[in-house]
Amino acid sequence: ETGVTQTPRHLVMGMTNKKSLKCEQHLGHNAMYWYKQSAKKPLELMFVYNFKEQTENNSVPSRFSPECPNSSHLFLHLHTLQPEDSALYLCASRGSSYNEQFFGPGTRLTVL
Amino acid sequence: AQSVTQLDSQVPVFEEAPVELRCNYSSSVSVYLFWYVQYPNQGLQLLLKYLSGSTLVKGINGFEAEFNKSQTSFHLRKPSVHISDTAEYFCAVSHSFSSGSARQLTFGSGTQLTVLP
Repeated sequence: ETGVTQTPRHLVMGMTNKKSLKCEQHLGHNAMYWYKQSAKKPLELMFVYNFKEQTENNSVPSRFSPECPNSSHLFLHLHTLQPEDSALYLCASRGSSYNEQFFGPGTRLTVL
Repeated sequence: AQSVTQLDSQVPVFEEAPVELRCNYSSSVSVYLFWYVQYPNQGLQLLLKYLSGSTLVKGINGFEAEFNKSQTSFHLRKPSVHISDTAEYFCAVSHSFSSGSARQLTFGSGTQLTVLP
C-alpha cells in the first residue's frame, strides 16, 4: 500500500450506533488531519495531530473522538451522530517541508 | 489570518477550449500556494504548488498556474481541456514558515469544472 488509505470507503449508521473510521499513511509523515466535506460547503478542518499529539480541535462536537496511536495511524470514533453529520470524511498527512498535504480517498458516511 | 476566494463556483467549458479557474488569497506574510483536484468520490490530489522562484508553475495533466504577488492571485489555466478534466478544483494557501497552526492549509470553497462534449 502506498500513500494514504482510509477504511471503510462507505459507512451507513444509525444515530445510536458506534463506529470508527481508520486512516493509515505510508509516507513517513509526522502530521495527520481529519477534514469534513459536506455538499455545498467548504472543506472543514476537524482535528490535527503532530507527532501523535493533538494540536488542533476546531470546535468539533464530542460525538467525534479522534485517536492517534502512532504517527502512521489515525482513527475517528463516532457515536450518537446526527443526520447532519453525513458527509465525506477525509484524512490527510503532511511531511516536514512546504506544508503540502496528501489526502486519502475518504469515507462516505451516511447517518440515518 | 489568511483566506482564499475562488471567484467561480461553476465553470462549464467545451472540450478542447482553454480554461482559467480564478483564485485570490489574502495574507499579511509570504505564502505557499497549492491547487488540488477532486474527482467524484475521491480524495484531493495535488495538481501543482508554488513555493518560491519562478511565478509560472507547471503541474500534472497539462495544468499551470501563475503567482501574482501584487494582485494576490494564483489562477489555474489549461490551454485545451478534456472530458476527463471534469472535477472540482480547490485552491489552498499556507504561511511559508513552519510553526504551529501556520502550517495548516486554508482552502477555497472550490470550483466545479465541467467539460462539455
